[in-house]
Amino acid sequence: AQSVTQPDIHITVSEGASLELRCNYSYGATPYLFWYVQSPGQGLQLLLKYFSGDTLVQGIKGFEAEFKRSQSSFNLRKPSVHWSDAAEYFCAVGSTVGGADGLTFGKGTHLIIQP
Amino acid sequence: DAMVIQNPRYQVTQFGKPVTLSCSQTLNHNVMYWYQQKSSQAPKLLFHYYDKDFNNEADTPDNFQSRRPNTSFCFLDIRSPGLGDAAMYLCATSRWDTEAFFGQGTRLTVV
Repeated sequence: AQSVTQPDIHITVSEGASLELRCNYSYGATPYLFWYVQSPGQGLQLLLKYFSGDTLVQGIKGFEAEFKRSQSSFNLRKPSVHWSDAAEYFCAVGSTVGGADGLTFGKGTHLIIQP
Repeated sequence: DAMVIQNPRYQVTQFGKPVTLSCSQTLNHNVMYWYQQKSSQAPKLLFHYYDKDFNNEADTPDNFQSRRPNTSFCFLDIRSPGLGDAAMYLCATSRWDTEAFFGQGTRLTVV
């Protein structure tokens, strides 16, 4: 069975500082990996996805993530955070390109931005 | 230009009173999903439709059912809501070769 671990429940970062959110997955075949962001009371917005090819993927809002098969990781990074980045971040894994069988989500990391 | 629309955004229902949540899409995607997200938890897949084929997750309670009358619409029916069913319900759509697009969610309160 596939699973996703986000080891950090909360992370606090100063505005303008760099950010890295950790994600480890467990999946027997080629994983399809996603990062979603959720603002309070809202749905999920896709930040970026990894299907194949270049292991460093660029997303929206200045985010990027690096797929490391040897470490079963897909960490999310941003060089300089803005106050508007405060939100809940979910890493997810799917068994197909579109996650047509559904996605398995991690428990999320709550990002707090300090002024 | 909302693409996955959930109605209502907020729903209050009485304990044991059937309730229906709706989802519509303008993307013409053939896969539609319902996820349940309880407070401070990860979204959990309840079931999904691949075209007209219904796929129920093994641990989805019998109290939850779904209907998909056509490509654009999908409904979540909760036959007898309990206090433990209070959650955000997220609808999503995809094609086999795209990522999932989520709606804004419906926050269900059971009183």
